[in-house]
Amino acid sequence: DGGITQSPKYLFRKEGQNVTLSCEQNLNHDAMYWYRQDPGQGLRLIYYSQIVNDFQKGDIAEGYSVSREKKESFPLTVTSAQKNPTAFYLCASSYEGRKGDTQYFGPGTRLTVL
Amino acid sequence: DAKTTQPPSMDCAEGRAANLPCNHSTISGNEYVYWYRQIHSQGPQYIIHGLKNNETNEMASLIITEDRKSSTLILPHATLRDTAVYYCIVRPGRGSSNTGKLIFGQGTTLQVKP
Repeated sequence: DGGITQSPKYLFRKEGQNVTLSCEQNLNHDAMYWYRQDPGQGLRLIYYSQIVNDFQKGDIAEGYSVSREKKESFPLTVTSAQKNPTAFYLCASSYEGRKGDTQYFGPGTRLTVL
Repeated sequence: DAKTTQPPSMDCAEGRAANLPCNHSTISGNEYVYWYRQIHSQGPQYIIHGLKNNETNEMASLIITEDRKSSTLILPHATLRDTAVYYCIVRPGRGSSNTGKLIFGQGTTLQVKP
């Protein structure tokens, strides 16, 4: 936790439906990140944003979209174009400044596509 | 690709110190060593990080060798709640041209036993 919330904790969707995962932080962090974790694997970067109204693709952005309209919020949409959406999704944030840039993670959302 | 090497698993008796090694022989001068841990089905938790000096906080100590090619995370009095996967990560410091992404390898599964 540490001021980063993700909802819901578990999410079920039918194949072909878009779904949006929420990520909110009250840490006044500038940067936010979305990672995906598959069973027994490390984390892979989907998208990241270093300032409001700007974001960049990570290593596995295909089939995902994001927005960063507010500093506190960085929602991730898993579209029907994502071929294997079932995974554990983690949001992180960091303070890009003189205090350093340690990333802190939310509790995660486990998405299952049926 | 992860730039660190960790043993896949370790056991530790409850109440004893847990010493988790990490090799990072290709680390660059401006790269930090970070440690996170992940308890099953939760988001990664930041533990500690360092550049070249040893570091200590309320959770753990980080010992970095003089040549910076390896480090050891020390949990001074392990409890059953410390059972988790521990990740050692190297990443560039602030100001470098990088995405900020964290590259998680396979980590070390620490099992604390009563």
